[in-house]
Amino acid sequence: EPEVTQTPSHQVTQMGQEVILRCVPISNHLYFYWYRQILGQKVEFLVSFYNNEISEKSEIFDDQFSVERPDGSNFTLKIRSTKLEDSAMYFCASRGTGGREKLFFGSGTQLSVL
Amino acid sequence: AQRVTQPEKLLSVFKGAPVELKCNYSYSGSPELFWYVQYSRQRLQLLLRHISRESIKGFTADLNKGETSFHLKKPFAQEEDSAMYYCALRETSGSRLTFGEGTQLTVNP
Repeated sequence: EPEVTQTPSHQVTQMGQEVILRCVPISNHLYFYWYRQILGQKVEFLVSFYNNEISEKSEIFDDQFSVERPDGSNFTLKIRSTKLEDSAMYFCASRGTGGREKLFFGSGTQLSVL
Repeated sequence: AQRVTQPEKLLSVFKGAPVELKCNYSYSGSPELFWYVQYSRQRLQLLLRHISRESIKGFTADLNKGETSFHLKKPFAQEEDSAMYYCALRETSGSRLTFGEGTQLTVNP
């Protein structure tokens, strides 16, 4: 089965630093998502992206966050100035074009902000 | 706003016993409901969804609109079923998933 790939698997950063989390969605998918899970809490939606623009975002996704598809394969999440509360597991996901297509998740990037 | 509740954070059963993981939702429309599973150190995987009405790995789930529930059931649990299970809701096709808090299932030998 095809897989969504995320790098790095672990990222440690200092508070106030910028981080970029990288994802390679499945090649023929056109819808991309970021979710996060703070330790001990539920998986939360951050943002969805289609046709080179954000299609939906949650209240968590404030001005500190941005997403980009810089080339035909990568999908990135940037946090401009990290805060302690940004520490979480960040999951990328992608799906095909049908409205009821299955969502494929990556294995996640564990971000630790010190 | 939509909400998904999984009342049990931890559930422990013995191998061969029936298991039921509870999920309740609140949403005024007709949502799509899903169960995702996360085995130890692995990614979230779709287990099943209500529109498919299928049985995967012996698991079934029936959408009960009257009780706004989508409980996951398996008649005979196996040790390899030990994992974290998340119930999730989607309002309309293609929109965001709202997850429950998750239930950690442990199947003891």
